[in-house]
Amino acid sequence: GAGVSQSPSNKVTEKGKDVELRCDPISGHTALYWYRQSLGQGLEFLIYFQGNSAPDKSGLPSDRFSAERTGGSVSTLTIQRTQQEDSAVYLCASSRQGLETQYFGPGTRLLVL
Amino acid sequence: AQSVTQLDSQVPVFEEAPVELRCNYSSSVSVYLFWYVQYPNQGLQLLLKYLSGSTLVKGINGFEAEFNKSQTSFHLRKPSVHISDTAEYFCAVRSNTGGFKTIFGAGTRLFVKA
Repeated sequence: GAGVSQSPSNKVTEKGKDVELRCDPISGHTALYWYRQSLGQGLEFLIYFQGNSAPDKSGLPSDRFSAERTGGSVSTLTIQRTQQEDSAVYLCASSRQGLETQYFGPGTRLLVL
Repeated sequence: AQSVTQLDSQVPVFEEAPVELRCNYSSSVSVYLFWYVQYPNQGLQLLLKYLSGSTLVKGINGFEAEFNKSQTSFHLRKPSVHISDTAEYFCAVRSNTGGFKTIFGAGTRLFVKA
């Protein structure tokens, strides 16, 4: 079946602009996660959604970052007033409730000039 | 809160040699443990996981890991590596008392030489 998809695959933007990154999880997966992977760094947890529960936003680095998940499926990560330090690969993953394996998308590579 | 330390940022090894990638974690509660692999130009995929039961866990591609609660470690091993094992390996931990927040280590780059 189809895996996790993300769009765009690459995004170049200017400092100060807003960007939106999209994630389509695997159908039927109730949990969705966003991570950030900076050059030479591990994965940094940003946020996760689980069904209709309130999302865990504890990893969002600043109030410029926000995410939403509509209808329990597609999720959008929004970064407002982008800064150069926001440049990274943003990864989305999903998992089926009760099972622990996370399935990762290919990521969106964001470059802020 | 949990944290993960991968003790080696890079591990060069010759083909057919054994390898161990080290991972230590800290947590005030019981945890699930994972190893993920990221091959060049590919997304992350699960290599193996420890949820409960036997402390020796076998994964894909001949890898295995052993959960050692007293030493809070979850080292990854393979008795004989191949060139194709060259990749970035990430250890991860998650509380098993609820919630899905997963903490990843910084990664270990395994480089297999011919």
